[in-house]
Amino acid sequence: AQSVTQPDIHITVSEGASLELRCNYSYGATPYLFWYVQSPGQGLQLLLKYFSGDTLVQGIKGFEAEFKRSQSSFNLRKPSVHWSDAAEYFCAVGARAAGNKLTFGGGTRVLVKP
Amino acid sequence: EAGVAQSPRYKIIEKRQSVAFWCNPISGHATLYWYQQILGQGPKLLIQFQNNGVVDDSQLPKDRFSAERLKGVDSTLKIQPAKLEDSAVYLCASSLFWDRAPTNEKLFFGSGTQLSVL
Repeated sequence: AQSVTQPDIHITVSEGASLELRCNYSYGATPYLFWYVQSPGQGLQLLLKYFSGDTLVQGIKGFEAEFKRSQSSFNLRKPSVHWSDAAEYFCAVGARAAGNKLTFGGGTRVLVKP
Repeated sequence: EAGVAQSPRYKIIEKRQSVAFWCNPISGHATLYWYQQILGQGPKLLIQFQNNGVVDDSQLPKDRFSAERLKGVDSTLKIQPAKLEDSAVYLCASSLFWDRAPTNEKLFFGSGTQLSVL
C-alpha cells in the first residue's frame, strides 16, 4: 500500500525567507507525486506534479519540488515566500497500479511572519 | 469557467441524525470524487464515480454512508445516522477523464462542506 508522511505539522517562516516542506512516500514502484495547497475556506489547488523525467519539477506560484528516489522524498521549496503563501500544503502519491487512487499526507500548515 | 460547487458550506447536527451534502462538478467532467478530510489529516477518498457508475467505493463506510450520481452530473453524499467521528470537511472534486485521473488528469476541488456532529 502506498503512504505519505509529512513530518512537519507546522512551519513558521518570515516573509522573504526561503521555505522547504518535507514529504516522504512509501510505494513499491515509481509513484506519481503531487503537491497541493489549501488556503482557508478554499478547495485544494494543484501546485505541481512529478510523473517521470527531470527530477526537479517547476510549479505554479514560484514553487518547485525535487524527487529523490534514494531518499523516497519529494520536498517542496520556494526561494522567497510571500504573505499569501500562508496555507496548508499536502503531498500526495498515486499510481496507475493502485487504481489511480491518490493518497494524501497529513499536511503542513505554513505561517508567514511579516 | 465555473468551479466545483458544494453546499451547504457548514452543517451542525447531533449524533444519530441524518445529513446530506450536494456537489455540482464542472460542466462536462465525467469523474466525480468525494473525499473526507478530518481535522489534522489529509483528504481520504470515499467514493469515485465515472458518469453515474461507481468506480471505487472501497473506503466508504457503507453501513452509514451512501452516495449517488443519478444523471451523471451532480451528486449527493448522505450520512445516516451520523457519529461523532464523522465530523470533518467533505470535499467534492471532479476531473474530465476517469482513466487518466487523478494521476494524469487534473483534479478540481470544491470548497467543501464542514460537518460538526455534536
